[in-house]
Amino acid sequence: AQSVTQLDSQVPVFEEAPVELRCNYSSSVSVYLFWYVQYPNQGLQLLLKYLSGSTLVKGINGFEAEFNKSQTSFHLRKPSVHISDTAEYFCAVSALNAGKSTFGDGTTLTVKP
Amino acid sequence: DGGITQSPKYLFRKEGQNVTLSCEQNLNHDAMYWYRQDPGQGLRLIYYSQIVNDFQKGDIAEGYSVSREKKESFPLTVTSAQKNPTAFYLCASSMDGRNEKLFFGSGTQLSVL
Repeated sequence: AQSVTQLDSQVPVFEEAPVELRCNYSSSVSVYLFWYVQYPNQGLQLLLKYLSGSTLVKGINGFEAEFNKSQTSFHLRKPSVHISDTAEYFCAVSALNAGKSTFGDGTTLTVKP
Repeated sequence: DGGITQSPKYLFRKEGQNVTLSCEQNLNHDAMYWYRQDPGQGLRLIYYSQIVNDFQKGDIAEGYSVSREKKESFPLTVTSAQKNPTAFYLCASSMDGRNEKLFFGSGTQLSVL
């Protein structure tokens, strides 16, 4: 079984400031890791994913995440946020060949002017 | 354009009524999924299908049913046995059952009259 914990339910930040959204996971087997973004009343879209290889993963819209196996973490970062980054962010984990993903409860990022 | 189409966008259910949510994809993906989203609770897996004519229960299957008669279609029926159906329902697909990346529809908001 696998689980995901997003450590912050809400993160307020001012425009152009850096941000980090934290995600820890638990699994007894190797996993794929994902960050998705959801804008109001819409479906989710993939920001970035870690499958293997380099632990620093770059995604769309200037986001990046670092896989830390020893700390079982996959934190999402952006050096300078924009108003348009205001959205709900979900961390997800999928055990290799499991056929399904487990999602965290989400983090609401609010960027203020 | 390739993608996932969910309909309707809004749906109302009366007491004791079954309702069906539609999900169609033209991505030629093998696997399809239904998730339920409640405020502050992230996404929970209802059912998933990795191949035509086969599907598996997710974490919260009680009160729901699905079929997968065609590769491109995965309708979800919310039965009268589901006592708390009000939620945002998301359909997703992935290329194969290894679930490396999910593509999401724009969702259906179901409410009880």
